[in-house]
Amino acid sequence: EPEVTQTPSHQVTQMGQEVILRCVPISNHLYFYWYRQILGQKVEFLVSFYNNEISEKSEIFDDQFSVERPDGSNFTLKIRSTKLEDSAMYFCASRGRADSNQPQHFGDGTRLSIL
Amino acid sequence: GQSLEQPSEVTAVEGAIVQINCTYQTSGFYGLSWYQQHDGGAPTFLSYNGLDGLEETGRFSSFLSRSDSYGYLLLQELQMKDSASYFCAVLGGGYNKLIFGAGTRLAVHP
Repeated sequence: EPEVTQTPSHQVTQMGQEVILRCVPISNHLYFYWYRQILGQKVEFLVSFYNNEISEKSEIFDDQFSVERPDGSNFTLKIRSTKLEDSAMYFCASRGRADSNQPQHFGDGTRLSIL
Repeated sequence: GQSLEQPSEVTAVEGAIVQINCTYQTSGFYGLSWYQQHDGGAPTFLSYNGLDGLEETGRFSSFLSRSDSYGYLLLQELQMKDSASYFCAVLGGGYNKLIFGAGTRLAVHP
């Protein structure tokens, strides 16, 4: 069964450094998302992406965050200057169609640890 | 704003039935989904309700009442591997972002 893949599985970075989290969504999917989950808390929406542009973003997704689909397969999340509170699990998700009954498929996540 | 409430923990024994409730308040509603998450793992889609009523998928069923802003996930014939966190999530926005509840940790005991 097709799946969303994320790399790396764990990223350790010094505060203030830039990080890029990578995702390969399911190949025929059109809608892409990033979520984050701080340890022990709920999953929080960050951003949705469709047709090569951001379609919606949350309050969390401030100017230090950016997303890009540099080619036909990858979808990246960049955090420009990391802060301690950016430590979390980051999940990429994708879905095929806009039908509301189409589920979002999640990757296994990248655990980001900011030191 | 949008908010979802679900119990923080539920405990049950193998073979039993457990129901996890979810109430929600949203400014726009496009359906209620349920996801399972094992520790350290990805949220995995279980079920979706767009209309009132019961949806059944194997041992799992989900129910929605839009007039009551309420839904539940029913797990039958519980197995040890069902021990996980279960999240209800509403679809919101034109591109169907998911707004998650805080999750219910289910512990299944022998």
